[in-house]
Amino acid sequence: KAGVTQTPRYLIKTRGQQVTLSCSPISGHRSVSWYQQTPGQGLQFLFEYFSETQRNKGNFPGRFSGRQFSNSRSEMNVSTLELGDSALYLCASSLARGGVNTEAFFGQGTRLTVV
Amino acid sequence: AQTVTQSQPEMSVQEAETVTLSCTYDTSESDYYLFWYKQPPSRQMILVIRQEAYKQQNATENRFSVNFQKAAKSFSLKISDSQLGDAAMYFCAYGTSYDKVIFGPGTSLSVIP
Repeated sequence: KAGVTQTPRYLIKTRGQQVTLSCSPISGHRSVSWYQQTPGQGLQFLFEYFSETQRNKGNFPGRFSGRQFSNSRSEMNVSTLELGDSALYLCASSLARGGVNTEAFFGQGTRLTVV
Repeated sequence: AQTVTQSQPEMSVQEAETVTLSCTYDTSESDYYLFWYKQPPSRQMILVIRQEAYKQQNATENRFSVNFQKAAKSFSLKISDSQLGDAAMYFCAYGTSYDKVIFGPGTSLSVIP
């Protein structure tokens, strides 16, 4: 079956702009989690969605938001981009919440560069 | 707050040899899960091995095994018969059934032919 699909793979944006990233989970998976990966900070949890509801949120400013649709696809939005938002954004999907009781499958990520 | 620490930013191993990656964590919970994830240069993160805290037996997956020391809050990964394809970033992670999964900073493993 198809894996987790993240689009776009690469993105270049200017400071102050906004961006929307998309994640399509594995069919049947209802949990989607988002992570920001940077060389200095490692993997930082952004948020988790399960059945269209945000279940957990990391320590990120309100410029970072997300949502999940009825088909479990999820989008992440970052407004008023800053240089420090440049990172690899990873999405993970799992059958159950948080990928703890079942395996979490990761997408290949979206590489966002803010200039 | 729960934290995950990986004290070895970089490790290297000769092909066919054995290497152990360290991980410690801090938690006040008694029921939790521990994971090792591998992220090769292609970037897709994959699960290597998972351990339930209530299980005393150490998990194994082919050449990968863990040494889980619950009292010491230690969860190391042993890779036997290392192969070139094992070269990757390895992340230790912690989670509970009701909260987010927390990742360590990662260990970059190089395999020397």
